[in-house]
Amino acid sequence: DVKVTQSSRYLVKRTGEKVFLECVQDMDHENMFWYRQDPGLGLRLIYFSYDVKMKEKGDIPEGYSVSREKKERFSLILESASTNQTSMYLCASSFQASRSPLHFGNGTRLTVT
Amino acid sequence: AQKITQTQPGMFVQEKEAVTLDCTYDTSDPSYGLFWYKQPSSGEMIFLIYQGSYDQQNATEGRYSLNFQKARKSANLVISASQLGDSAMYFCAMRGGDAGGTSYGKLTFGQGTILTVHP
Repeated sequence: DVKVTQSSRYLVKRTGEKVFLECVQDMDHENMFWYRQDPGLGLRLIYFSYDVKMKEKGDIPEGYSVSREKKERFSLILESASTNQTSMYLCASSFQASRSPLHFGNGTRLTVT
Repeated sequence: AQKITQTQPGMFVQEKEAVTLDCTYDTSDPSYGLFWYKQPSSGEMIFLIYQGSYDQQNATEGRYSLNFQKARKSANLVISASQLGDSAMYFCAMRGGDAGGTSYGKLTFGQGTILTVHP
């Protein structure tokens, strides 16, 4: 079974802190993604990566950056956390084949106070 | 740009009955794929079913089927014989190419529909 593991289930951070969300997958997937989920808005893509050290902006990249130094690991960084970044963050991975579904981690609920 | 619209914020169904969850999409890409995911209250995202834009037949996976109407740009999920465990949020999503054909597999999601199954 594909396993996508997010390092934390719950996080509470203060405004202005630098926050790291880590994600690891064990299926040798080329693609990795970070989404945020907010009520009524569905899932919105923050950043994705299709190869090591490669990254592309998604629909809402402002205030975020990412790092992919190894194929299995994709990190989301909030350079200076703000209260409007309080959300559920979902990491996912997939093969690049068009029919390949995304496999999701269990999510990290981040609260910025 | 791609867009997915789920117009039903919430749906109710009686146990053992069938239910249809609506999904319409908009894309200029001739080749695309449509996905449905289930998210129970535990929060995990569970992949249910996939439909390719050039697939000849509507996709089916057990009690799930996809009513794909390409001309109408709709990809409704049909759940037959609903069970209490089907109560969850359901997301429709699309993968397509942008103008340069470099989608790299990213999915665009709709807002979701909360399904409640009554005993």
